[in-house]
Amino acid sequence: GAVVSQHPSWVICKSGTSVKIECRSLDFQATTMFWYRQFPKQSLMLMATSNEGSKATYEQGVEKDKFLINHASLTLSTLTVTSAHPEDSSFYICSANEDRNSPLHFGNGTRLTVT
Amino acid sequence: GENVEQHPSTLSVQEGDSAVIKCTYSDSASNYFPWYKQELGKGPQLIIDIRSNVGEKKDQRIAVTLNKTAKHFSLHITETQPEDSAVYFCAAISNRKYSGGGADGLTFGKGTHLIIQP
Repeated sequence: GAVVSQHPSWVICKSGTSVKIECRSLDFQATTMFWYRQFPKQSLMLMATSNEGSKATYEQGVEKDKFLINHASLTLSTLTVTSAHPEDSSFYICSANEDRNSPLHFGNGTRLTVT
Repeated sequence: GENVEQHPSTLSVQEGDSAVIKCTYSDSASNYFPWYKQELGKGPQLIIDIRSNVGEKKDQRIAVTLNKTAKHFSLHITETQPEDSAVYFCAAISNRKYSGGGADGLTFGKGTHLIIQP
């Protein structure tokens, strides 16, 4: 089945630094990947849609300059949290599917802690 | 936009009993309904899905039913086991939103914490 790999699984960084999270589709090509954020005991909230070869589409209220997304190849999307602050601490999860008619598969998430 | 309601928020059942989680959706254009299981510290895992052209789908101990008229769908887990303990999310995808470009149209319910009592 389709596998989505996310790295790192957890990261601790200091306030003001930037952190990059990678999302890879291991056995399929994904022209579109999706980035979610999840707070403790809450549901997943879509942050942005990553499009290969073009700009990402951000959901309302998500700062595109804060959360930089790069989808440089058909198997890799990256999310960079710039100038991180403690309130950016969260669980970030990516997902992808082979095409619009295929199920969405999720990575195992990245736990970001900003101190 | 689409709105997905999920109940209950917490469900505790005895091992071996059945568990039922219910979701309703608002957008009649929604045509795909996946269910995800999320264990602590991990990403959601797809466990079963159903499309709007069928009313029921079963995979071993897990089944999903869909009532398009009433706009609700349910997850049924039979013969529950300790490893079924997790948070379960339902979701709906509106074909209308999906084809419009941009977001994937996947709207999640708020989740159900399923606890299997030994």
